[in-house]
Amino acid sequence: SYELSQPPSLSVSPGQTASITCSGDDLGKKFTSWYQQRPGQSPVLVIYQNKRRPSEIPERFSASNSGNTATLTISGTQTMDEADYYCQAWDSNTGVFGGGTKLTVL
Amino acid sequence: QVQLVESGGGLVKPGGSLRVSCAASGFIFSDYYMSWIRQAPGKGLEWVSYISSSGNLIYYADSVKGRFTISRDSAKNTVYLHMNILRDDDTAVYYCARGGYSSVSGEAFDYWGQGTLVTVSS
Repeated sequence: SYELSQPPSLSVSPGQTASITCSGDDLGKKFTSWYQQRPGQSPVLVIYQNKRRPSEIPERFSASNSGNTATLTISGTQTMDEADYYCQAWDSNTGVFGGGTKLTVL
Repeated sequence: QVQLVESGGGLVKPGGSLRVSCAASGFIFSDYYMSWIRQAPGKGLEWVSYISSSGNLIYYADSVKGRFTISRDSAKNTVYLHMNILRDDDTAVYYCARGGYSSVSGEAFDYWGQGTLVTVSS
């Protein structure tokens, strides 16, 4: 079965750039989405179709997808960005999530 | 505004059955695929199933295939997940989400409900 791999954790200081990777075989040939989940809350879509942002998501969130790796980038990270982040793609009509990356901003 | 409200979670014994529901509002329900995604306590997200806008395309994760059934009622703007032969490892918060493997939602889950907790325990 298809798998997506993410680093379990990442720490950044406020104002720095956070880059979260997601790896999978030929992931660049698929559309990747990214979700933010703050503690105790439901997930929120922050990126879809590799790099498109829903209108309510701040411009500091961007993403790319090429080869075997998709990357979510948060520029000028704020304390409110502290959350778990999940990548997601489809393989043979099956939804696949990465294991999630806990982003700490301190 | 788009709203997805899950209900029906609770405590059930191993081998038992349960049906969870998701009432949708704020959008044209019949235009969108709908999905169920679950999250075990302290764990990550796991996609469970999706149903197409017309209901004629349905897919399941291998972990639930043959035990769970997704359905939708356009008259009630509601999507259901019927869960049978429940196991301890089915314990999770079950989220309803708008979207699935469909270009209409960009192949993403663009809105999520608040989730309903299903606990399988003797």
